[in-house]
Amino acid sequence: IQLTQSPSSLSASVGDRVTITCRASQGIKNYLAWYQQKPGKAPKLLIYGASTLQSGVPSRFSGSGSGTDFTLTISSLQPEDFATYYCQQLNTYEYTFGQGTKLEIK
Amino acid sequence: HVQLVQSGAEVKKPGSSVKVSCKASGGTFSSDSISWVRQAPGQGLEWLGRIIPMLGIVNSAQNYQGRVTFTADKSTSTAYMELSSLTSEDTAVYFCARYSGNYGLDYWGQGTLVTVSS
Repeated sequence: IQLTQSPSSLSASVGDRVTITCRASQGIKNYLAWYQQKPGKAPKLLIYGASTLQSGVPSRFSGSGSGTDFTLTISSLQPEDFATYYCQQLNTYEYTFGQGTKLEIK
Repeated sequence: HVQLVQSGAEVKKPGSSVKVSCKASGGTFSSDSISWVRQAPGQGLEWLGRIIPMLGIVNSAQNYQGRVTFTADKSTSTAYMELSSLTSEDTAVYFCARYSGNYGLDYWGQGTLVTVSS
């Protein structure tokens, strides 16, 4: 199963609302996770099961979707949110990742 | 509190093998699964495979079948990933991560840099 994220990169300002999309090449029910990764660090789980917020993750992050189309939304960007975001499907082996979306400061 | 602690950086010659360890604490190691993910310099994340220590079940990414081996020692709560026939393209940071069945990898090791160079 291939995951295609868009956009690949994004420039935004603090306070902006940002949406990243992830499209699967076939249906994956809601077996999708979103991660945030900062340089030199391990990825951090933000959203699992497509829409459930991981414990400790700020509520400005939200996820939605089912089947083949998914979105990650950050309602009001904070300085610490500038990072790279990945989606991952956990429906079918192999547990593939999207190619990533780099979120940069405008 | 779950923690995954990986072994240190490695420098290997082309054609050799590397074995990376991932020691778990604070969770239910045997019943969870441990995935292995790698990230080449400046590149994205790539899932290599996973092991369920309690059941001994292993799944590997097709591109690595025959070259990667996943094992686990339940007595020490440690998972291992061994990659053979190394080339420079295997230079990457290798991560272990826990999957407890909620459709996300919730805890990650700190990463192990493997450098393949002659």
